[in-house]
Amino acid sequence: GENVEQHPSTLSVQEGDSAVIKCTYSDSASNYFPWYKQELGKRPQLIIDIRSNVGEKKDQRIAVTLNKTAKHFSLHITETQPEDSAVYFCAVSIGSNYKLTFGKGTLLTVNP
Amino acid sequence: DTAVSQTPKYLVTQMGNDKSIKCEQNLGHDTMYWYKQDSKKFLKIMFSYNNKELIINETVPNRFSPKSPDKAHLNLHINSLELGDSAVYFCASSGSAEQFFGPGTRLTVL
Repeated sequence: GENVEQHPSTLSVQEGDSAVIKCTYSDSASNYFPWYKQELGKRPQLIIDIRSNVGEKKDQRIAVTLNKTAKHFSLHITETQPEDSAVYFCAVSIGSNYKLTFGKGTLLTVNP
Repeated sequence: DTAVSQTPKYLVTQMGNDKSIKCEQNLGHDTMYWYKQDSKKFLKIMFSYNNKELIINETVPNRFSPKSPDKAHLNLHINSLELGDSAVYFCASSGSAEQFFGPGTRLTVL
C-alpha cells in the first residue's frame, strides 16, 4: 500500500520566520495531496490541497509545491504567527475513493 | 449547525465491554469515514462508506463493526473492548476530495 513519510516531526520557529514541512510518497499513481492542521484537542481541518496536474498552489501565507518525479510535496508557511502552532499532517490519495494515507504529523511551534 | 457531529465526546469503559459511537453529517455528502488517532497522533483510516455501501475496510479487528443506516449517519460499534482500543476516533465525510472531520470521540479503556 501507499507509504507516506513526513519530516520533520517537530519544528520550532520564531514568529515571522518561514516554516517548511516535507512529505514523500511511494505510489506514483497518487493524485491528490491535502494538508491538514490539527490544533490541540481539536479536529483536523484542511488548509490547502493540490492535485497531481498542478505544481504549486498558494493561499495567502501558505503554499504547497509538488514534485511528481521525485514523489515529494511540501508545505510552506511564511510570516508565521503564534496561532500557526499546531500539528500539521500531509496526506495522499489515489483515484476517486479518496482514501487518505496520512503522514505521521509535524508539531509546529511558533515562538512569539 | 455543526457539519459533522459525533456522540459521545468522551467514553470511559472497562475492558471487555461493548460500546458504540455515533456520527451524523448534515452536509449532504455521499461518503463517510472512520479514523483512529492513537496516542502518538497517528491518523489511520478504518472504514469508509459511500451511499451506505462499504468501500474501504482496512485491516481492523472484526470486533469493530461499522453501520450506515443512511448516507447521513455512520456508526461504529466495538465489541470486547481492549486496552489498545484507547484512542481518539474521528468520523469524517466528503462530497468530493475534501474531508470534513467531526470533533472526535476520546475512548479510554480501563
